[in-house]
Amino acid sequence: AQTVTQSQPEMSVQEAETVTLSCTYDTSESDYYLFWYKQPPSRQMILVIRQEAYKQQNATENRFSVNFQKAAKSFSLKISDSQLGDAAMYFCAYRSLLRFGNEKLTFGTGTRLTIIP
Amino acid sequence: DTGVSQNPRHKITKRGQNVTFRCDPISEHNRLYWYRQTLGQGPEFLTYFQNEAQLEKSRLLSDRFSAERPKGSFSTLEIQRTEQGDSAMYLCASSSGQGDNSPLHFGNGTRLTVT
Repeated sequence: AQTVTQSQPEMSVQEAETVTLSCTYDTSESDYYLFWYKQPPSRQMILVIRQEAYKQQNATENRFSVNFQKAAKSFSLKISDSQLGDAAMYFCAYRSLLRFGNEKLTFGTGTRLTIIP
Repeated sequence: DTGVSQNPRHKITKRGQNVTFRCDPISEHNRLYWYRQTLGQGPEFLTYFQNEAQLEKSRLLSDRFSAERPKGSFSTLEIQRTEQGDSAMYLCASSSGQGDNSPLHFGNGTRLTVT
């Protein structure tokens, strides 16, 4: 079974600075997807960024980028120019590409990000 | 696109009572998922539907839990004889199912408190 580990329960960053959230995972599969989801307080979870494991190029979405190290099974999220609206719980998630059971996401325990004005 | 809707937002019930939650996915999304999230944890997969067919169930889904999606549109999750350990946020998500990487759209969840 796959596992996802987020070793930072809480992080804080000064507004406009850069912060990196770490995520490691364990799998025996070679093809899979990785995601970062954001869950603001009392609001729904939304997708921030996703990475296909077969792609060597790191995904980027505006101020959000990932550092995907497949051999190390590491998938960190970098947020540049942090904004107050970035404050949320951030979850790293894994999705298998096996034909059966490929629909479910396996989530880490999350990192609570605080933005300091 | 009005998003995934879940009702009720909060439910407080006494131990031993039955509860039912409803999820309305984004229209035309044929895939629907239920997750459970306890305090300080990430969401855990419970079950998944493609149209009206329930294709996968987690071992977390004990016999007291049942989910349905009768016409391939909205879904219900029922918990019978609730226990205090059932207290959690129950999240519903849907996706279009187009391709392997169609993103999940989550609802706001139903928070269940069992006293």
